[in-house]
Amino acid sequence: ETGVTQSPTHLIKTRGQQVTLRCSSQSGHNTVSWYQQALGQGPQFIFQYYREEENGRGNFPPRFSGLQFPNYSSELNVNALELDDSALYLCASSLTLNTGELFFGEGSRLTVL
Amino acid sequence: QQQVKQSPQSLIVQKGGIPIINCAYENTAFDYFPWYQQFPGKGPALLIAIRPDVSEKKEGRFTISFNKSAKQFSLHIMDSQPGDSATYFCAATVGGGSQGNLIFGKGTKLSVKP
Repeated sequence: ETGVTQSPTHLIKTRGQQVTLRCSSQSGHNTVSWYQQALGQGPQFIFQYYREEENGRGNFPPRFSGLQFPNYSSELNVNALELDDSALYLCASSLTLNTGELFFGEGSRLTVL
Repeated sequence: QQQVKQSPQSLIVQKGGIPIINCAYENTAFDYFPWYQQFPGKGPALLIAIRPDVSEKKEGRFTISFNKSAKQFSLHIMDSQPGDSATYFCAATVGGGSQGNLIFGKGTKLSVKP
């Protein structure tokens, strides 16, 4: 059973660019959530996808968008990057809705210059 | 607006000591309170979780104490070991986490000295 995998692990972008981060959920999990973790802070909820539909969204602007594919893998897209977008982006999968346990990947470290 | 307040920010204990990390919340609709452990370079991993219908839950050396009236909960680590050195996050959510919207505290960096 493979865990949650994310790519890329590190990347550097400049302000105004766009970025796509990818996540493969744990085998058998149909729900994926994305979190942003700034340095020295707790993770902050961006949104969740369940069976390819957005199922909840945190306080993030529309330039943060996502997708979930039929195999339950997911993408996080961020447009018009800002310096404050520099953070660790964590993907977490869960078996399905109504289960509290999230299984996190190791994250994608984004630096915006 | 921070809905889960966690303290202390950092904690140093000797091996065998009992570190205690505290969290307070505001939203009385929260009904699921997990603790996550994060090692450097890794994602958070669920340690233990509690629902508000119980006041205490133990799993191995880890215990959650929950005080619903005070809107507080805490993590105790019995017989702490150097391998427990990590950052610990409390969290809370509504609906048992069905929308994945965990509200995390800012974290406590624990260092257990040999």
